[in-house]
Amino acid sequence: NAGVTQTPKFQVLKTGQSMTLQCAQDMNHNSMYWYRQDPGMGLRLIYYSASEGTTDKGEVPNGYNVSRLNKREFSLRLESAAPSQTSVYFCASSESLGDRSNQPQHFGDGTRLSIL
Amino acid sequence: GEDVEQSLFLSVREGDSSVINCTYTDSSSTYLYWYKQEPGAGLQLLTYIFSNMDMKQDQRLTVLLNKKDKHLSLRIADTQTGDSAIYFCAENQRDTGRRALTFGSGTRLQVQP
Repeated sequence: NAGVTQTPKFQVLKTGQSMTLQCAQDMNHNSMYWYRQDPGMGLRLIYYSASEGTTDKGEVPNGYNVSRLNKREFSLRLESAAPSQTSVYFCASSESLGDRSNQPQHFGDGTRLSIL
Repeated sequence: GEDVEQSLFLSVREGDSSVINCTYTDSSSTYLYWYKQEPGAGLQLLTYIFSNMDMKQDQRLTVLLNKKDKHLSLRIADTQTGDSAIYFCAENQRDTGRRALTFGSGTRLQVQP
Protein backbone atom coordinates (compact mmCIF):
# COMPACT_ATOMS: atom_id res chain seq x y z
CA ASN A 1 0.00 0.00 0.00
CA ALA A 2 1.87 3.08 -1.26
CA GLY A 3 -0.31 5.72 0.44
CA VAL A 4 0.53 9.17 -0.96
CA THR A 5 3.14 9.29 -3.72
CA GLN A 6 4.80 12.50 -4.87
CA THR A 7 7.00 13.03 -7.92
CA PRO A 8 9.63 14.22 -8.38
CA LYS A 9 11.49 14.02 -5.07
CA PHE A 10 13.95 16.77 -6.01
CA GLN A 11 13.97 19.50 -8.65
CA VAL A 12 16.06 22.55 -9.46
CA LEU A 13 14.53 25.25 -11.65
CA LYS A 14 15.62 28.58 -13.03
CA THR A 15 13.58 31.68 -12.31
CA GLY A 16 10.70 31.92 -14.79
CA GLN A 17 10.53 28.22 -15.62
CA SER A 18 7.31 26.30 -15.14
CA MET A 19 6.82 22.98 -13.43
CA THR A 20 4.08 20.61 -12.29
CA LEU A 21 4.37 18.61 -9.10
CA GLN A 22 2.46 15.35 -9.16
CA CYS A 23 0.62 13.66 -6.32
CA ALA A 24 -1.40 10.46 -6.25
CA GLN A 25 -3.09 8.57 -3.42
CA ASP A 26 -4.38 5.03 -3.41
CA MET A 27 -6.53 5.19 -0.25
CA ASN A 28 -9.73 6.24 -2.03
CA HIS A 29 -9.68 9.53 -0.12
CA ASN A 30 -12.00 12.33 -1.14
CA SER A 31 -9.89 15.29 0.01
CA MET A 32 -6.38 16.26 -1.02
CA TYR A 33 -4.06 19.09 -0.01
CA TRP A 34 -0.86 20.87 -1.01
CA TYR A 35 1.39 22.42 1.64
CA ARG A 36 4.74 24.13 1.60
CA GLN A 37 7.19 23.79 4.45
CA ASP A 38 9.73 26.51 5.17
CA PRO A 39 12.18 26.65 8.08
CA GLY A 40 10.59 27.98 11.26
CA MET A 41 7.16 28.34 9.63
CA GLY A 42 5.67 24.90 9.85
CA LEU A 43 3.36 23.84 7.06
CA ARG A 44 1.26 26.35 5.18
CA LEU A 45 -1.69 25.31 3.07
CA ILE A 46 -1.45 26.34 -0.59
CA TYR A 47 -4.57 24.77 -2.09
CA TYR A 48 -6.92 21.97 -1.23
CA SER A 49 -9.55 19.88 -2.95
CA ALA A 50 -12.50 18.81 -0.84
CA SER A 51 -13.65 16.31 -3.46
CA GLU A 52 -13.13 15.41 -7.08
CA GLY A 53 -13.96 18.39 -9.25
CA THR A 54 -13.48 21.08 -6.59
CA THR A 55 -10.46 23.13 -5.54
CA ASP A 56 -10.09 26.00 -3.08
CA LYS A 57 -7.37 28.43 -2.05
CA GLY A 58 -5.53 27.94 1.18
CA GLU A 59 -3.33 30.33 3.11
CA VAL A 60 -0.65 31.01 0.45
CA PRO A 61 -2.09 30.37 -3.06
CA ASN A 62 -0.36 33.16 -5.01
CA GLY A 63 1.92 31.90 -7.75
CA TYR A 64 0.36 28.42 -7.86
CA ASN A 65 -2.41 26.59 -9.66
CA VAL A 66 -3.85 23.15 -9.00
CA SER A 67 -5.78 20.49 -10.86
CA ARG A 68 -7.77 17.69 -9.33
CA LEU A 69 -7.41 15.37 -12.32
CA ASN A 70 -9.49 12.56 -10.80
CA LYS A 71 -10.12 11.16 -7.34
CA ARG A 72 -6.55 9.81 -7.10
CA GLU A 73 -4.49 12.70 -8.45
CA PHE A 74 -3.95 16.31 -7.42
CA SER A 75 -1.24 18.31 -9.18
CA LEU A 76 0.38 21.62 -8.26
CA ARG A 77 1.71 23.92 -10.98
CA LEU A 78 4.17 26.77 -10.80
CA GLU A 79 3.66 28.80 -13.99
CA SER A 80 6.66 31.12 -13.55
CA ALA A 81 8.90 29.98 -10.72
CA ALA A 82 10.39 32.56 -8.36
CA PRO A 83 13.19 32.13 -5.78
CA SER A 84 10.61 32.74 -3.02
CA GLN A 85 9.00 29.45 -4.04
CA THR A 86 12.08 27.48 -2.98
CA SER A 87 10.62 25.13 -0.41
CA VAL A 88 9.65 21.59 0.40
CA TYR A 89 6.21 20.77 -0.95
CA PHE A 90 3.99 18.16 0.66
CA CYS A 91 0.86 16.58 -0.67
CA ALA A 92 -1.64 15.05 1.76
CA SER A 93 -5.00 13.33 1.62
CA SER A 94 -7.79 12.56 4.02
CA GLU A 95 -11.02 10.61 3.80
CA SER A 96 -12.90 13.91 3.76
CA LEU A 97 -12.53 17.41 5.15
CA GLY A 98 -12.09 17.33 8.92
CA ASP A 99 -15.07 19.37 10.00
CA ARG A 100 -16.63 17.60 12.96
CA SER A 101 -15.21 14.14 12.42
CA ASN A 102 -11.76 12.69 12.91
CA GLN A 103 -10.04 13.11 9.57
CA PRO A 104 -6.28 12.80 9.94
CA GLN A 105 -4.24 13.69 6.91
CA HIS A 106 -1.76 11.29 5.37
CA PHE A 107 1.34 12.80 3.83
CA GLY A 108 3.69 12.02 0.97
CA ASP A 109 7.46 12.24 1.41
CA GLY A 110 7.72 15.67 -0.18
CA THR A 111 9.28 17.37 -3.19
CA ARG A 112 12.35 19.49 -2.52
CA LEU A 113 12.27 22.37 -4.98
CA SER A 114 15.02 24.94 -5.48
CA ILE A 115 14.56 27.99 -7.68
CA LEU A 116 17.77 29.69 -8.78
CA GLY B 1 1.07 28.88 11.70
CA GLU B 2 0.67 31.74 14.14
CA ASP B 3 -2.53 30.25 15.56
CA VAL B 4 -0.75 27.17 16.84
CA GLU B 5 2.45 27.73 18.82
CA GLN B 6 5.18 25.36 19.86
CA SER B 7 8.62 25.76 21.33
CA LEU B 8 11.32 25.22 18.72
CA PHE B 9 13.71 22.84 20.40
CA LEU B 10 13.89 20.22 23.14
CA SER B 11 16.89 18.14 24.19
CA VAL B 12 16.62 15.11 26.47
CA ARG B 13 18.76 12.15 27.47
CA GLU B 14 17.94 8.66 26.29
CA GLY B 15 15.63 6.97 28.79
CA ASP B 16 14.17 10.21 30.12
CA SER B 17 10.66 11.44 29.42
CA SER B 18 10.07 14.15 26.82
CA VAL B 19 7.24 16.63 27.03
CA ILE B 20 6.42 18.69 23.97
CA ASN B 21 3.95 21.52 24.44
CA CYS B 22 1.54 23.27 22.10
CA THR B 23 -0.98 26.08 22.48
CA TYR B 24 -3.81 26.72 20.07
CA THR B 25 -6.41 29.42 19.65
CA ASP B 26 -9.55 27.95 18.13
CA SER B 27 -11.84 26.82 20.93
CA SER B 28 -14.10 25.10 18.42
CA SER B 29 -11.39 22.69 17.29
CA THR B 30 -12.72 19.18 17.61
CA TYR B 31 -9.67 17.06 16.96
CA LEU B 32 -6.04 17.79 17.75
CA TYR B 33 -3.21 15.82 16.23
CA TRP B 34 0.46 15.07 16.79
CA TYR B 35 2.64 14.33 13.78
CA LYS B 36 6.28 13.22 13.64
CA GLN B 37 8.67 14.18 10.83
CA GLU B 38 11.98 12.40 10.44
CA PRO B 39 14.73 13.94 8.27
CA GLY B 40 13.91 13.84 4.58
CA ALA B 41 10.49 12.32 5.15
CA GLY B 42 6.90 13.41 5.24
CA LEU B 43 4.73 13.80 8.31
CA GLN B 44 3.62 10.64 10.06
CA LEU B 45 0.50 10.69 12.22
CA LEU B 46 1.43 9.71 15.77
CA THR B 47 -1.77 10.15 17.71
CA TYR B 48 -4.80 12.39 18.11
CA ILE B 49 -7.23 13.43 20.81
CA PHE B 50 -10.86 14.41 20.65
CA SER B 51 -11.63 17.74 22.28
CA ASN B 52 -13.95 16.28 24.92
CA MET B 53 -11.12 14.14 26.30
CA ASP B 54 -8.50 15.21 28.85
CA MET B 55 -5.99 12.47 28.25
CA LYS B 56 -5.18 9.73 25.81
CA GLN B 57 -2.48 7.09 26.25
CA ASP B 58 -1.02 5.00 23.46
CA GLN B 59 1.96 2.84 24.49
CA ARG B 60 4.80 5.29 25.25
CA LEU B 61 2.78 8.31 24.18
CA THR B 62 0.49 10.31 26.45
CA VAL B 63 -1.50 13.27 25.16
CA LEU B 64 -2.87 15.77 27.66
CA LEU B 65 -5.44 18.37 26.70
CA ASN B 66 -6.35 21.41 28.81
CA LYS B 67 -9.23 22.85 26.86
CA LYS B 68 -9.70 25.80 29.21
CA ASP B 69 -6.14 26.99 28.60
CA LYS B 70 -6.06 25.67 25.00
CA HIS B 71 -2.92 23.72 25.84
CA LEU B 72 -1.92 20.39 24.37
CA SER B 73 1.08 18.29 25.32
CA LEU B 74 2.74 15.12 24.10
CA ARG B 75 4.70 13.06 26.59
CA ILE B 76 7.06 10.39 25.31
CA ALA B 77 8.11 7.93 28.00
CA ASP B 78 11.53 6.24 27.93
CA THR B 79 12.68 8.41 25.02
CA GLN B 80 14.91 6.63 22.52
CA THR B 81 17.39 7.96 19.94
CA GLY B 82 14.91 6.89 17.26
CA ASP B 83 12.47 9.45 18.67
CA SER B 84 14.73 12.26 17.45
CA ALA B 85 12.60 14.16 14.94
CA ILE B 86 10.42 17.23 14.52
CA TYR B 87 7.02 17.00 16.18
CA PHE B 88 4.07 19.04 14.93
CA CYS B 89 0.77 19.64 16.64
CA ALA B 90 -2.20 20.43 14.44
CA GLU B 91 -5.82 21.41 14.89
CA ASN B 92 -8.81 21.52 12.61
CA GLN B 93 -10.06 25.10 12.70
CA ARG B 94 -13.76 25.11 12.02
CA ASP B 95 -14.27 28.83 12.44
CA THR B 96 -11.59 30.15 10.11
CA GLY B 97 -13.07 28.77 6.94
CA ARG B 98 -9.78 27.17 6.02
CA ARG B 99 -11.33 23.72 6.36
CA ALA B 100 -8.00 22.00 6.72
CA LEU B 101 -5.52 21.38 9.50
CA THR B 102 -3.46 24.24 10.91
CA PHE B 103 0.01 23.22 12.01
CA GLY B 104 2.41 24.63 14.55
CA SER B 105 5.97 25.42 13.51
CA GLY B 106 7.26 22.14 14.95
CA THR B 107 9.44 21.20 17.92
CA ARG B 108 12.79 19.58 17.14
CA LEU B 109 13.45 16.82 19.68
CA GLN B 110 17.08 15.83 20.11
CA VAL B 111 17.78 12.69 22.13
CA GLN B 112 21.27 12.44 23.58
CA PRO B 113 22.64 8.90 23.99
